[in-house]
Amino acid sequence: ETGVTQTPRHLVMGMTNKKSLKCEQHLGHNAMYWYKQSAKKPLELMFVYNFKEQTENNSVPSRFSPECPNSSHLFLHLHTLQPEDSALYLCASSQEKTSGVRSEQFFGPGTRLTVL
Amino acid sequence: GQNIDQPTEMTATEGAIVQINCTYQTSGFNGLFWYQQHAGEAPTFLSYNVLDGLEEKGRFSSFLSRSKGYSYLLLKELQMKDSASYLCAVRAYSGAGSYQLTFGKGTKLSVIP
Repeated sequence: ETGVTQTPRHLVMGMTNKKSLKCEQHLGHNAMYWYKQSAKKPLELMFVYNFKEQTENNSVPSRFSPECPNSSHLFLHLHTLQPEDSALYLCASSQEKTSGVRSEQFFGPGTRLTVL
Repeated sequence: GQNIDQPTEMTATEGAIVQINCTYQTSGFNGLFWYQQHAGEAPTFLSYNVLDGLEEKGRFSSFLSRSKGYSYLLLKELQMKDSASYLCAVRAYSGAGSYQLTFGKGTKLSVIP
């Protein structure tokens, strides 16, 4: 498997469910990201992990909980979501240089989430 | 914060040339990216500009003017498969040694026969 993979590709859940999204990158990168893409809105950065440490959290509600066990895997744990959380959730990775400047990001195919 | 503006939709004819504009307002500018996203698929990297001028890559070219806060993506010899959304993204210094990438809403390009 190459590039960035995400599972599941589609997920339907109720507001009381708990589920997790998984992302894996096979590119040897050291930075991973979660984005939310809603209809007619720009891609919204949710979380950034550099070298397995969370470095950015863009005011995301606590019902979204990220986990990065190693530099190749990233999870997004979901609980008590709202219907407005329905969106495409994209994972991306990049190679961050020691100067702090990141290269281009490579995206996974996304998980289409529907909250009922 | 950053403000990125690009047209919502454009239509062009197969074989023609189309220019997609992007304007931005930001501090700490550190580069501009263009991504292509087909419906239901992940965005894929097209180009990167950090200095003023034109970067050419096959049928695609990207231009940047930092003083004007302006970029465009030029697509030549349009093909039906070029129908997609084109995302402009600006990287800027966000403090404490970190940089942030902010995306525009994207321009949906439809190529017609």
